[in-house]
Amino acid sequence: NAGVTQTPKFQVLKTGQSMTLQCAQDMNHEYMSWYRQDPGMGLRLIHYSVGAGITDQGEVPNGYNVSRSTTEDFPLRLLSAAPSQTSVYFCASSYRVGGAYEQYFGPGTRLTVT
Amino acid sequence: DAKTTQPPSMDCAEGRAANLPCNHSTISGNEYVYWYRQIHSQGPQYIIHGLKNNETNEMASLIITEDRKSSTLILPHATLRDTAVYYCIVRVGGGADGLTFGKGTHLIIQP
Repeated sequence: NAGVTQTPKFQVLKTGQSMTLQCAQDMNHEYMSWYRQDPGMGLRLIHYSVGAGITDQGEVPNGYNVSRSTTEDFPLRLLSAAPSQTSVYFCASSYRVGGAYEQYFGPGTRLTVT
Repeated sequence: DAKTTQPPSMDCAEGRAANLPCNHSTISGNEYVYWYRQIHSQGPQYIIHGLKNNETNEMASLIITEDRKSSTLILPHATLRDTAVYYCIVRVGGGADGLTFGKGTHLIIQP
């Protein structure tokens, strides 16, 4: 299994540009999430999905859109990039173990907005 | 979610057991204790979780006190590759609707 994969690894955008960060998992996990991590900070949840066709907002959803058309893929779209969106973005998938969950994270996409 | 308290940093000699403490005195009966770690610049890595009983897997052991107000993550034979920030997270569930990562403990394994 490749696990959780993210592309691209690095990206530089100009203010106002849009782009899509790709995330895929091959573990058949129902649940997927997007987080951002700013320097020296913890991770903050952007959006999440509990299954194909179902998404919901996390702690910091503004400026981002998601969709989940398949179990495997969960792309994150930046609508109009702003310097405040400069961050490292992590995608995660998770599955249930009894009443708990195990989350598996991708390697991250490092985004700089100038 | 219950608040957790961890020391900001710890050192451990390579080959020794690393014992990472976590206080969660306000934990409720249905909240799990999760441990994740983040090696520099990488995505967080799941280590282990538990509810009441002690747990062990190929990576680590989790010891939860009887009153559940604190726990200890044990890496039995630490290597240099275990240098990372370790996060103790307490919550119900813990799936897609997010984990709250605090500042964690920066564990440095010394050669």
